[in-house]
Amino acid sequence: AQTVTQSQPEMSVQEAETVTLSCTYDTSESDYYLFWYKQPPSRQMILVIRQEAYKQQNATENRFSVNFQKAAKSFSLKISDSQLGDAAMYFCAYRYGMDSNYQLIWGAGTKLIIKP
Amino acid sequence: KAGVTQTPRYLIKTRGQQVTLSCSPISGHRSVSWYQQTPGQGLQFLFEYFSETQRNKGNFPGRFSGRQFSNSRSEMNVSTLELGDSALYLCASSLVGIADTQYFGPGTRLTVL
Repeated sequence: AQTVTQSQPEMSVQEAETVTLSCTYDTSESDYYLFWYKQPPSRQMILVIRQEAYKQQNATENRFSVNFQKAAKSFSLKISDSQLGDAAMYFCAYRYGMDSNYQLIWGAGTKLIIKP
Repeated sequence: KAGVTQTPRYLIKTRGQQVTLSCSPISGHRSVSWYQQTPGQGLQFLFEYFSETQRNKGNFPGRFSGRQFSNSRSEMNVSTLELGDSALYLCASSLVGIADTQYFGPGTRLTVL
């Protein structure tokens, strides 16, 4: 079965510092997509960053970047210069497909706390 | 552009009843996906509709069904409700599908008593 593992249920970081959230996944596919989504308290889920597996270059979006290690099946999210507004649940997700039926498999999430 | 809207926001039902949830995607988006979010199971993919056709499906029983209309609005139906169906149901829309950037609605909180 395809799985996505986020081993850190909760992380905390001082405002303005850098934090890394980890994500590993299990797959036998060679081409797939990986995502980090953010769900702030009582607010809507939003996409943080997206990575296509065939692209060697790590995706970046402003203060957010990923460390994509395809061989190790690892997809960590680095948040630089953490801000209070970054406090949220962060979910790692993987697009899995078999026989042309695609679905998103989600990790359990990491709660990120920002200390002022 | 208006965001993804879901109605109703909260719903209370009893076991055995059925329920219909509605999702209006962002204008121009043809893909609508549905997810179930619970504290125990986390986020699980239900299904995706694209141009009125179910294109992808997760591992849920047949009690969970959906449809999409010509204006891309989507409904999700759950029949014969069980206590375990209590969850936040999220819908997301995108231009082309789940590999694309998905925009989520606020969710419908369903409580089954």
